Amino acid sequence: AQRVTQPEKLLSVFKGAPVELKCNYSYSGSPELFWYVQYSRQRLQLLLRHISRESIKGFTADLNKGETSFHLKKPFAQEEDSAMYYCALSREYGNKLVFGAGTILRVKS
Amino acid sequence: GAGVSQSPRYKVAKRGQDVALRCDPISGHVSLFWYQQALGQGPEFLTYFQNEAQLDKSGLPSDRFFAERPEGSVSTLKIQRTQQEDSAVYLCASSLFQTRRPDTQYFGPGTRLTVL
Repeated sequence: AQRVTQPEKLLSVFKGAPVELKCNYSYSGSPELFWYVQYSRQRLQLLLRHISRESIKGFTADLNKGETSFHLKKPFAQEEDSAMYYCALSREYGNKLVFGAGTILRVKS
Repeated sequence: GAGVSQSPRYKVAKRGQDVALRCDPISGHVSLFWYQQALGQGPEFLTYFQNEAQLDKSGLPSDRFFAERPEGSVSTLKIQRTQQEDSAVYLCASSLFQTRRPDTQYFGPGTRLTVL
């Protein structure tokens, strides 16, 4: 069975500090990994997916198959990054997403 | 264009009542998903449609839950004889099509169901 673990419920950082949101997964195949974000009073939206290998709003995430991790990083946090972040997994030819419990990121001024 | 819409946005039901939740996917999107999100948790998969065919209903928690998408566009999630544990936000998502790799899912705003 697939499982996604986000060990931190809340991460609080100061503006300009580096951010790393942790995500670990368990799946024996080759998964697709995603980060979704939900800003206050907005709907869940895709932030990035590992296969795109792109940087969105300054965030990057590298899939580490050896450590089964897909941590989300940003070198300098901005106040507008404050939101709920969900890591999610899909099987390589699957469709449904398996989500972690989410991490609240608070960026303080 | 318009995104995924859901109605009602909020629903309060007495225990034992039946409820119906509606999802309007993005026009032309072939795939439609329902997720259940309990308080403090991430969304959990309920069921998946490709056009009008329900290809996966492995996440439906009991036979009180039923979903349909008769014409391959609008979908309805029905919960019969609601229980307090059904209280959650129900999210609908759609994606353009299912290719060899998972396509991006676009989420609706959700329906918050409270069962008293």
